[in-house]
Amino acid sequence: QSALTQPASVSGSPGQSITISCTGSSSDVGNYNLVSWYQQHPGKAPKLILYEDTKRPSGVSDRFSGSKSGNTASLTISGLQPEDEADYSCCSYAGTTVHYVFGPGTKVTVL
Amino acid sequence: QLQLQESGPGLVKPSETLSLTCTVSGGSISTTTYYWGWIRQPPGQGLEWIGCVFHTGSAFYNPSLKSRVTISVDTSRNQFSLRLTSVTAADTSLYYCVSLWRATDAFDVWGQGTILTVSS
Repeated sequence: QSALTQPASVSGSPGQSITISCTGSSSDVGNYNLVSWYQQHPGKAPKLILYEDTKRPSGVSDRFSGSKSGNTASLTISGLQPEDEADYSCCSYAGTTVHYVFGPGTKVTVL
Repeated sequence: QLQLQESGPGLVKPSETLSLTCTVSGGSISTTTYYWGWIRQPPGQGLEWIGCVFHTGSAFYNPSLKSRVTISVDTSRNQFSLRLTSVTAADTSLYYCVSLWRATDAFDVWGQGTILTVSS
């Protein structure tokens, strides 16, 4: 069972915006600005798309954005495109004992 | 450009020890920029962080696996390795080696993954 909670699936039409939530606790998401998000296409390795809650690595589309409120982080995909259909997982630093916890992943479907 | 490549046996018997190796190319494993780690993904399930090691050999682990896991580094070969003892069917997973970007606590480079099946 994952330490972070995500919806199993989210869907949207091309051009729309969708938001994926990632809920943790005051021991992880709520205590550190260290949530990262990963995109994983079928049969492929995950790819880092956001780090430190809101920052994008070089080369990642600005259609991906992050935010956080309390113990819940969110990933928003704007202008949804067919190639955005993938699984998205969040991860948070959780201190020097637990270290890193992941969410179960959210399947994004482009209708 | 940093690249990671896993290698391993593919199949391990229950109660035996799993050993996987990750070869780092395009950069030195002795860099202070990264920790080196392992993450696994059981079939149809989410990602689970296993542990990480620094080039000095200092390592830290997922508490739920700590009693069975050792991650070590071989700087002369630019490789790091995972050892998991007393495996069961629950350890059947896709295992990824990763680089953990120390400044951001994000896993920024991933290997392609290697499937490890535990079965007699």
